[in-house]
Amino acid sequence: EAGVTQSPTHLIKTRGQQATLRCSPISGHTSVYWYQQALGLGLQFLLWYDEGEERNRGNFPPRFSGRQFPNYSSELNVNALELEDSALYLCASSFNREYSNQPQHFGDGTRLSIL
Amino acid sequence: QKEVEQDPGPLSVPEGAIVSLNCTYSNSAFQYFMWYRQYSRKGPELLMYTYSSGNKEDGRFTAQVDKSSKYISLFIRDSQPSDSATYLCAIGGSEKLVFGKGTKLTVNP
Repeated sequence: EAGVTQSPTHLIKTRGQQATLRCSPISGHTSVYWYQQALGLGLQFLLWYDEGEERNRGNFPPRFSGRQFPNYSSELNVNALELEDSALYLCASSFNREYSNQPQHFGDGTRLSIL
Repeated sequence: QKEVEQDPGPLSVPEGAIVSLNCTYSNSAFQYFMWYRQYSRKGPELLMYTYSSGNKEDGRFTAQVDKSSKYISLFIRDSQPSDSATYLCAIGGSEKLVFGKGTKLTVNP
């Protein structure tokens, strides 16, 4: 069974540009979560999508946004990139929240570097 | 007070040692508890998942939860160099999952 896949593996941008990161969940999973893992800060929750809708959002500015498609894949968009956005962005998926407390399974992330 | 606290280490042990990793949490509403292992340049990999107090064993790994003390532990028996990684605890409720910052473990041959 294929795990969570993320693309691209590495993305290099300059300040002010926009970045789009993509995630395909495990087959059968309908919830997708996005996290930022910056050096020394641990995993910070960004967004949670379930059945195409945004269910929860972490303490990040509105320039971090995303969406979930009908096939449950998801993309994360970061506008007006800043140097501090340099981090590993991780996507995780789980079964529908109706099965509450389902564990999340992670992809290997997209490393975003801002020059 | 942080929702989840985890000693970042680093922790260095000889091969074969028993390793103890710990987290504390503040929110008594948290219902389920996980441990992840993260190798360098990889995403976190789920190791253990439990939602009740007590012990859960899987091979060389034992997860222990004490809800009364808001304290969770992961024990690794007969540690191997391949166990060298960062270990993250994750504690959550119905709408939220909070991660510890991770403990970096090195097992020396």
